Amino acid sequence: NAGVTQTPKFRVLKTGQSMTLLCAQDMNHEYMYWYRQDPGMGLRLIHYSVGEGTTAKGEVPDGYNVSRLKKQNFLLGLESAAPSQTSVYFCASSRRTGQPPYEQYFGPGTRLTVT
Amino acid sequence: AQRVTQPEKLLSVFKGAPVELKCNYSYSGSPELFWYVQYSRQRLQLLLRHISRESIKGFTADLNKGETSFHLKKPFAQEEDSAMYYCALSGDNFNKFYFGSGTKLNVKP
Repeated sequence: NAGVTQTPKFRVLKTGQSMTLLCAQDMNHEYMYWYRQDPGMGLRLIHYSVGEGTTAKGEVPDGYNVSRLKKQNFLLGLESAAPSQTSVYFCASSRRTGQPPYEQYFGPGTRLTVT
Repeated sequence: AQRVTQPEKLLSVFKGAPVELKCNYSYSGSPELFWYVQYSRQRLQLLLRHISRESIKGFTADLNKGETSFHLKKPFAQEEDSAMYYCALSGDNFNKFYFGSGTKLNVKP
């Protein structure tokens, strides 16, 4: 099992450009999450999904959109990148069976720089 | 509002010394608390959760609802414990998690 994978690993964008980050998991997990990690601030939840076709806002959703068309994939989109979106982005997934709370499994991260 | 505070950015101890990483939280309901760890060049992974009352790699953490704390402790630190540690909270809605800003533990030989 590959677990949680993220594509790409690194990206540099210019202000105003758009891009999509892809998260894939092969553990048949129901829940998926997108976080951003900034120095001194820990991980902050951007958006999450509790199942295929559903998404919801987290703590810092502005400037991002997400889609969960397939259970195994969770896409994070930046329509018009801004320097404030320079960050490391982590995807995570968790199951929804058995006794909560559910452990999250994290991807390796995507380092995004917006110039 | 939900908040997790880790007051120490960096904690340095010598091998064999006791270590305590502090975590305080703010939550109005009944929280579930976790410790996640990120070793160098590895992914963030679960270390332990309070509901399991487990000891992992010699680490324990006790939920103190009166002091709203969930400090991580180990009686004798090892060099391989050097890593970034994050305290996290999940509320009644298990869909969301709130992470602290992390504490870097450096265990010196």
